[in-house]
Amino acid sequence: GQQLNQSPQSMFIQEGEDVSMNCTSSSIFNTWLWYKQDPGEGPVLLIALYKAGELTSNGRLTAQFGITRKDSFLNISASIPSDVGIYFCAAVSGTYKYIFGTGTRLKVLA
Amino acid sequence: SAVISQKPSRDICQRGTSLTIQCQVDSQVTMMFWYRQQPGQSLTLIATANQGSEATYESGFVIDKFPISRPNLTFSTLTVSNMSPEDSSIYLCSVETDIEQFFGPGTRLTVL
Repeated sequence: GQQLNQSPQSMFIQEGEDVSMNCTSSSIFNTWLWYKQDPGEGPVLLIALYKAGELTSNGRLTAQFGITRKDSFLNISASIPSDVGIYFCAAVSGTYKYIFGTGTRLKVLA
Repeated sequence: SAVISQKPSRDICQRGTSLTIQCQVDSQVTMMFWYRQQPGQSLTLIATANQGSEATYESGFVIDKFPISRPNLTFSTLTVSNMSPEDSSIYLCSVETDIEQFFGPGTRLTVL
């Protein structure tokens, strides 16, 4: 079946560093979404991407929809302690069919 | 976007009992979804709930174990029936608007 592979699985970084994570698949998708989940909370939508090659920013976050439509990238610039959490990618296949990645656990060291 | 609330936020239940989780949305939505997130794992879709019709269950999930109601366009319930410790998980409802999915805060269930 379809699945999304996220990497890295987890990362420790120093406050102020930039962070990059990606999500890949063997299938083509038309929409990519990035979520952040804080402990004890539901995932919160960060960025939505609708077109291949699209680059979208939300504050210190920038995400790109890969040209092949099989991948997406999320970058966080100048990380701060509140960036800690789990970041999930999701891709939309067909109508109402969302597939979630395995998650990247981010820990920021002050 | 949509504002979603869930009740209860957490519960500890005994094996063999059932728990009904409520999901309330601040606007009318066509599709509501129920997910399970086991500790340290990603989200797994349990079922999709349309108002006025039977829920559609994903492979590995059955109506007898996870009955769902969708009485109107702003509300849904998920029941976890005859619980066992393996059902300990976070249960999340979500809604879709404009190809973006928004999640409730989740219900953390522990089964002893």
